[in-house]
Amino acid sequence: QLVESGGALVHPGESLRLSCIASGFNLQDHWMTWVRQAPGKGLEWVANFHYGSGKRFYLDSVEGRFTISGDNAKNSLFLQMNNLRAEDTAVYYCVRDREYHPRSTELWFDVFDVWGQGTQVTVSS
Amino acid sequence: AIQMTQSPSSLSASVGDRVTITCRASQGIRNDLGWYQQKPGKAPKLLVYAASILERGVSSRFSGDGYGTDFTLTISSLQSEDFATYYCLQDYGYPRTFGQGTKVEV
Repeated sequence: QLVESGGALVHPGESLRLSCIASGFNLQDHWMTWVRQAPGKGLEWVANFHYGSGKRFYLDSVEGRFTISGDNAKNSLFLQMNNLRAEDTAVYYCVRDREYHPRSTELWFDVFDVWGQGTQVTVSS
Repeated sequence: AIQMTQSPSSLSASVGDRVTITCRASQGIRNDLGWYQQKPGKAPKLLVYAASILERGVSSRFSGDGYGTDFTLTISSLQSEDFATYYCLQDYGYPRTFGQGTKVEV
């Protein structure tokens, strides 16, 4: 299970930190992802993070403003969001990637199998 | 970024209908594609990954197919609980990109 928190109403240019607490599995064993959905719009991948390797990737429009990180001790994932813009307004979902790796191949597939309930971020003046 | 284009954007169907949704990638993505179902006010749910592998616990009336640039999600016999919005997602490259969604309505 994943439970997000930290969403709020903020002004443009302000910062916010989202948290996601996992139960029933260890975050460090998986790639973890943030996906967002603006009001009435489709899904948008935001960023992902792998504890073991420390690798992280970002959507172009958030790179340099958002930072994804984790805390093994708290089994938690975070998204630090700085210099927020109106277009960042969305429900933010924390997602586990179970990954699928067929034997005898070098292929890896994303398997977004566990989703949080989402936390609302609103950026408005 | 790889663009994912779904068609149609919406469709009207009845219980028992066979429904097919298409997703086209702007470049070849092998079979690095998943399908997700979302109902209003709820988080998305995984249906299919690696283009054609059905997630455990998902009804066998759902099936995925395709390789390269063209992919399909088929619902063999639409049930009332299948009225929802469906999204494809490519995991071939970064950033990951979703299709714009297909809303399946009564």
